[in-house]
Amino acid sequence: AQTVTQSQPEMSVQEAETVTLSCTYDTSESDYYLFWYKQPPSRQMILVIRQEAYKQQNATENRFSVNFQKAAKSFSLKISDSQLGDAAMYFCAYRSERSGTYKYIFGTGTRLKVLA
Amino acid sequence: NAGVTQTPKFQVLKTGQSMTLQCAQDMNHEYMSWYRQDPGMGLRLIHYSVGAGITDQGEVPNGYNVSRSTTEDFPLRLLSAAPSQTSVYFCASSLLAGHYNEQFFGPGTRLTVL
Repeated sequence: AQTVTQSQPEMSVQEAETVTLSCTYDTSESDYYLFWYKQPPSRQMILVIRQEAYKQQNATENRFSVNFQKAAKSFSLKISDSQLGDAAMYFCAYRSERSGTYKYIFGTGTRLKVLA
Repeated sequence: NAGVTQTPKFQVLKTGQSMTLQCAQDMNHEYMSWYRQDPGMGLRLIHYSVGAGITDQGEVPNGYNVSRSTTEDFPLRLLSAAPSQTSVYFCASSLLAGHYNEQFFGPGTRLTVL
């Protein structure tokens, strides 16, 4: 069975600095998607970034980028120029693309604090 | 386009009571799912559905029932509430396949069982 591990329960970053959140996963499959979701205090889950496993190029969305290491099964999120609004829980998620398997698997989350 | 809607936002139940958490989406998504979120445990999948009439169990299905009679609706039923079911519940939907397959989440329901 696939698993997703986020080993950092909490991280802090100074405003305008860069922070990296870690995520590792375990799978025997070759086709899958990986996601980072943000959950601010409002509780609403918001997609931050998505990575297709077949793409070698790391995904980027403005200040957010990933370091996808398929062989190492690692999928870290880098937030540049951190802003107070980035403070939230961040969840890493995995989804298989194998036909008949549609479960999303989430990590336990990392709480990010942004210090002014 | 309302996205994914959930009702109620908050609910307090007594042990043994039953209730249904409602979930609806207007994006014609095949895939719908229910999660519970507990401190330190992330989101755990309760049940999911890949289309009308098709449901399956997730990681923590005990104590919960689901049905999917239409594409739009995916209610979650608690037959006899227990304090262990105190949690925040999220409904989510997505396309079944393809590039744009991220899940869209509802606003959540905070349930307290006394």
